[in-house]
Amino acid sequence: DAGVIQSPRHEVTEMGQEVTLRCKPISGHNSLFWYRQTMMRGLELLIYFNNNVPIDDSGMPEDRFSAKMPNASFSTLKIQPSEPRDSAVYFCASSTGTYNSPLHFGNGTRLTVT
Amino acid sequence: GDSVTQMEGPVTLSEEAFLTINCTYTATGYPSLFWYVQYPGEGLQLLLKATKADDKGSNKGFEATYRKETTSFHLEKGSVQVSDSAVYFCALSDFTGFQKLVFGTGTRLLVSP
Repeated sequence: DAGVIQSPRHEVTEMGQEVTLRCKPISGHNSLFWYRQTMMRGLELLIYFNNNVPIDDSGMPEDRFSAKMPNASFSTLKIQPSEPRDSAVYFCASSTGTYNSPLHFGNGTRLTVT
Repeated sequence: GDSVTQMEGPVTLSEEAFLTINCTYTATGYPSLFWYVQYPGEGLQLLLKATKADDKGSNKGFEATYRKETTSFHLEKGSVQVSDSAVYFCALSDFTGFQKLVFGTGTRLLVSP
């Protein structure tokens, strides 16, 4: 079991550029979550999917943020255009989606927008 | 809405000391409760969980008991090690059926030799 795989581990970009974060969930998991972690706001749930369908995107901060899950083994989180306040660690997590099943987190992508 | 409150950190202890990290929650109904741990440069890992009142979750010497009367889920360990240094997150799950978790702000634990 390779775990949840996120790429890249680190991303440094200039304000105004497009940023795409990638996630491969654990095989067989049908729920996928995107979280953002900052010192000021802690862990925030941005969006989650079940069976590749977005269930709740109320945590997405602005229209500059978008997420897709084209199939069961891949998801992207895109920021366009990026701003310095988007700097954070972005985590992807997956689970089987059954009651009380644990979330399995990737190691995160540290995004720095200058 | 649902929320989780954790004690402020960092918590600084010497090796073999007793650990308590306080966690209280606000929720409608009876959520499941979790403790996750985050080591430097890594994602969160499930440490333990409890799904109903009076349940005790335990793992790697850590314990927490689901107290409905005080809406608490405090994390304890009898003798901490340097390797326990990490950030600990308390969390609850709602009943949407999709394991959506609400996390506390995290408590950093620093254990010195």
